[in-house]
Amino acid sequence: GAGVSQSPSNKVTEKGKDVELRCDPISGHTALYWYRQRLGQGLEFLIYFQGNSAPDKSGLPSDRFSAERTGESVSTLTIQRTQQEDSAVYLCASSFSQGGETQYFGPGTRLLVL
Amino acid sequence: KQEVTQIPAALSVPEGENLVLNCSFTDSAIYNLQWFRQDPGKGLTSLLLIQSSQREQTSGRLNASLDKSSGRSTLYIAASQPGDSATYLCAVFGAGSYQLTFGKGTKLSVIP
Repeated sequence: GAGVSQSPSNKVTEKGKDVELRCDPISGHTALYWYRQRLGQGLEFLIYFQGNSAPDKSGLPSDRFSAERTGESVSTLTIQRTQQEDSAVYLCASSFSQGGETQYFGPGTRLLVL
Repeated sequence: KQEVTQIPAALSVPEGENLVLNCSFTDSAIYNLQWFRQDPGKGLTSLLLIQSSQREQTSGRLNASLDKSSGRSTLYIAASQPGDSATYLCAVFGAGSYQLTFGKGTKLSVIP
């Protein structure tokens, strides 16, 4: 596609429910990143995929967070048993390869946990 | 652990003014430094990427400099326009790392 797309754009859920966020990277981009931006905070790295493997999961805040990627395409970020502190904008980015190339960001998913 | 700081947190200038945004980072072992802009309700747009071996990069009215040894970068915007109003984010890609570390950003308002 022309750019990175994410769905849904907005998600409101109740505390304790599971949510699944989707990212479609730019076609041909092998590297995919998930970040989180909480209100008033900088972007926090969550996880990095190279192809469908995840060499760096160090940013996942707890075992309630998990992510998968199918080949070099779609990725899903799953948050189980959501908590209010999970409320944030979740941003996905992709780049042609690893090694610090320019990352292209999607518009984000705004998650609100009530 | 890499930390990135951006000063000021917010800046308001009249249209046509030249301005400088500042970014500092604590670990000089970086692969590159990137400047992004973020518009409300939208994702990030990459503006400039400076490799660790470079001193500056230019794109139109934007010029970014990098002094790796002192852990500093500046983004210079010439002849500012109302359309430049956005939050500007600085991020570093650590050497041997897989991730960008971001500052909290500078919110710029250009007043017509």
